[in-house]
Amino acid sequence: AQTVTQSQPEMSVQEAETVTLSCTYDTSESNYYLFWYKQPPSRQMILVIRQEAYKQQNATENRFSVNFQKAAKSFSLKISDSQLGDTAMYFCAFMTKYGGSQGNLIFGKGTKLSVKP
Amino acid sequence: NAGVMQNPRHLVRRRGQEARLRCSPMKGHSHVYWYRQLPEEGLKFMVYLQKENIIDESGMPKERFSAEFPKEGPSILRIQQVVRGDSAAYFCASSPITGTGGYTFGSGTRLTVV
Repeated sequence: AQTVTQSQPEMSVQEAETVTLSCTYDTSESNYYLFWYKQPPSRQMILVIRQEAYKQQNATENRFSVNFQKAAKSFSLKISDSQLGDTAMYFCAFMTKYGGSQGNLIFGKGTKLSVKP
Repeated sequence: NAGVMQNPRHLVRRRGQEARLRCSPMKGHSHVYWYRQLPEEGLKFMVYLQKENIIDESGMPKERFSAEFPKEGPSILRIQQVVRGDSAAYFCASSPITGTGGYTFGSGTRLTVV
């Protein structure tokens, strides 16, 4: 069974600085998707970034980028120029591309990020 | 496009009552997923539905829980005879096709059982 582990329950960063959130996963599959979701206090789940396992190039979305290390099964999120609005829970998630469970996201327990002024 | 609409936003039920949670997917989306989030936890998959079909209910408890997505109207997650352990946030997500991820989530329904 696939698992997703986020080893940092809480992190904080000063406004305008850079922070990296860690995520590791376990799977025997070779093709899958990885995601980072943001959950602010409003509770809305917002997709931050998405990576397809067969693509070697790391995904980027404005100030958000990932370091995808397939062999190490690591998928970290880097937030550059942190803003107060980045304060939220961040969840790493895995989804298999094929098989009976396709479409089901497997989430880690989350990292609570606080951006301090 | 109104996004994924969930209602109610908050729901309080006494032990033994029934809870009905509604989810209207984004326009054009025919795939609906329900997830549950316990306090201090990530979301856990419960059930995946297409119109009039349950595709995967492997994450749903065998008793008291049921889900449907009729041809017309919203998807419904129904919890019968609620217990305190059912207290959680329940999220719905939708997508136009499956297997690509990046779903659009609703804002969730927070169920409190007293």
